[in-house]
Amino acid sequence: DGGITQSPKYLFRKEGQNVTLSCEQNLNHDAMYWYRQDPGQGLRLIYYSQIVNDFQKGDIAEGYSVSREKKESFPLTVTSAQKNPTAFYLCASSPDGGELFFGEGSRLTVL
Amino acid sequence: KQEVTQIPAALSVPEGENLVLNCSFTDSAIYNLQWFRQDPGKGLTSLLLIQSSQREQTSGRLNASLDKSSGRSTLYIAASQPGDSATYLCAVRLAGTYKYIFGTGTRLKVLA
Repeated sequence: DGGITQSPKYLFRKEGQNVTLSCEQNLNHDAMYWYRQDPGQGLRLIYYSQIVNDFQKGDIAEGYSVSREKKESFPLTVTSAQKNPTAFYLCASSPDGGELFFGEGSRLTVL
Repeated sequence: KQEVTQIPAALSVPEGENLVLNCSFTDSAIYNLQWFRQDPGKGLTSLLLIQSSQREQTSGRLNASLDKSSGRSTLYIAASQPGDSATYLCAVRLAGTYKYIFGTGTRLKVLA
């Protein structure tokens, strides 16, 4: 089945640690996105990528990093520089100009 | 800067009622507008996509309209059911970019 797979679904991190969230899609979409969702707030864009080996910062990129070495994969690293990383992270993809599709999300909790 | 607003933030209706959810945006330079449904703790499910050149889209009991000049979209749900209970979000794609801006959503509860 075609879709977007995010892993892990739940992740716990100690302060000072970096963690990487995985996002894989088999929809052959060019564009991929990472969003952060906090209670009472809408989705906020962290990074997006229109094409392999290229990505742009979104509205809240500080403390995060990404790579886009393959069309299918767009991993997000939450670094120790991110001051408030506890949140629900959503990965999405879209074909050029088309509909946006989402994965099931990853919930990160800092202990 | 594009801002997307959804009012009301929460809505509770009895089963069977027809209802309208609102989405407004400040800049009419959009490529498309999309409506989503989100269940608690889950990702977003796409409901309807309206291109900027279109006025409305329909899928089953759902109908979405777009008035780009006034910066408004509505999602009409006919004959609501308890299974429709979820948060509904709208998002606009900025013209000339790959960026989508989301509203904060309307939390809908349909009472049996």
